[in-house]
Amino acid sequence: NAGVMQNPRHLVRRRGQEARLRCSPMKGHSHVYWYRQLPEEGLKFMVYLQKENIIDESGMPKERFSAEFPKEGPSILRIQQVVRGDSAAYFCASLTGVSYEQYFGPGTRLTVT
Amino acid sequence: TQLLEQSPQFLSIQEGENLTVYCNSSSVFSSLQWYRQEPGEGPVLLVTVVTGGEVKKLKRLTFQFGDARKDSSLHITAAQPGDTGLYLCAGDGYNQGGKLIFGQGTELSVKP
Repeated sequence: NAGVMQNPRHLVRRRGQEARLRCSPMKGHSHVYWYRQLPEEGLKFMVYLQKENIIDESGMPKERFSAEFPKEGPSILRIQQVVRGDSAAYFCASLTGVSYEQYFGPGTRLTVT
Repeated sequence: TQLLEQSPQFLSIQEGENLTVYCNSSSVFSSLQWYRQEPGEGPVLLVTVVTGGEVKKLKRLTFQFGDARKDSSLHITAAQPGDTGLYLCAGDGYNQGGKLIFGQGTELSVKP
């Protein structure tokens, strides 16, 4: 079985540009979580989605950040008008919804110049 | 706000030594997961503990969940250089929708 896939693995954006991060969960998994790992900090929860629904976005910055998980296709984390402070590793994790174990993708390393 | 305090943050030992990593909280968790993360990669799930007092073994790694489900430990016996990496504990709080609260991580270095 393919694991959780994320792309791109590395993304460089200039300040003010948009960043789109994609996550394809494991086959059979319908729940996706996004986490952010800032330099020298631990992983922090951002948003929890099921197909076509945002369940919990309490960890998302109020502005510039949005997430979706459409019926077809990967989950997308979108960051508009990026700033240097957005530079981080962004991970998604998926689970079946029956088991509580989350499986992580390899992450997208976003660098804002 | 639920927090997980993980210690130590850094650990450098010689091959063959034993070590223990701790995760502590004032909150109760429905489950606790241990991950290992290599540089440039995502966390890889090692084990999940669910029941208070539960002990799970994975080769030379022993994981324990506290009786009150507020703390956990990871013990490695006879550490090897291949054990080098970042170890993370993550708690799943009650009624939190499954979102994980992560500890700060323990950076383990095992020297040959």
